[in-house]
Amino acid sequence: GAGVSQSPSNKVTEKGKDVELRCDPISGHTALYWYRQSLGQGLEFLIYFQGNSAPDKSGLPSDRFSAERTGGSVSTLTIQRTQQEDSAVYLCASSPRGEGGRADTQYFGPGTRLTVL
Amino acid sequence: RKEVEQDPGPFNVPEGATVAFNCTYSNSASQSFFWYRQDCRKEPKLLMSVYSSGNEDGRFTAQLNRASQYISLLIRDSKLSDSATYLCVVKNSWGKLQFGAGTQVVVTP
Repeated sequence: GAGVSQSPSNKVTEKGKDVELRCDPISGHTALYWYRQSLGQGLEFLIYFQGNSAPDKSGLPSDRFSAERTGGSVSTLTIQRTQQEDSAVYLCASSPRGEGGRADTQYFGPGTRLTVL
Repeated sequence: RKEVEQDPGPFNVPEGATVAFNCTYSNSASQSFFWYRQDCRKEPKLLMSVYSSGNEDGRFTAQLNRASQYISLLIRDSKLSDSATYLCVVKNSWGKLQFGAGTQVVVTP
């Protein structure tokens, strides 16, 4: 079946511009995560959506970052007034609801490579 | 201190050899543990879950040591295709998955 998709695959923008990154999770997955990964670095958690619960925004680095998940499916990560340090690969992952074992498996999208000039 | 720590490597391994590396976690109430694999410029993919009794999946063996709060991954008979970054993932007590920064493995001919 279809996996997690993200768009665009690459985004080049100028400092100060706003960008929107989109994630389409696997159908039926209730959990959705956003991470970012800088070159040669590990994954940095940004935000987590689980069903209809309030999202866990604890990883968002500043108030320039926000995310929405409409209808429990598609999610959009918005970065306002982009800075050069925002350049990274932004990864989205979805996971079926569950307490443990395979249900915790995160399925990642291919990521959006953001470059802020 | 980071919640999940890994030796970044790289671990340079001759083809056919065995390599093993650990991941330490700080939260003793952590519930679930996983190894993910990430190829260069690709997204992470689940390699295997780590069970309390230890588990094998082909050439890969994962173990959990709760007393010392670490998990390990051992790769036997290394193949060139095993070259990747291996990410340790820990599910903490409130359900969030924490990723380590990864251990790079380079298998050489």
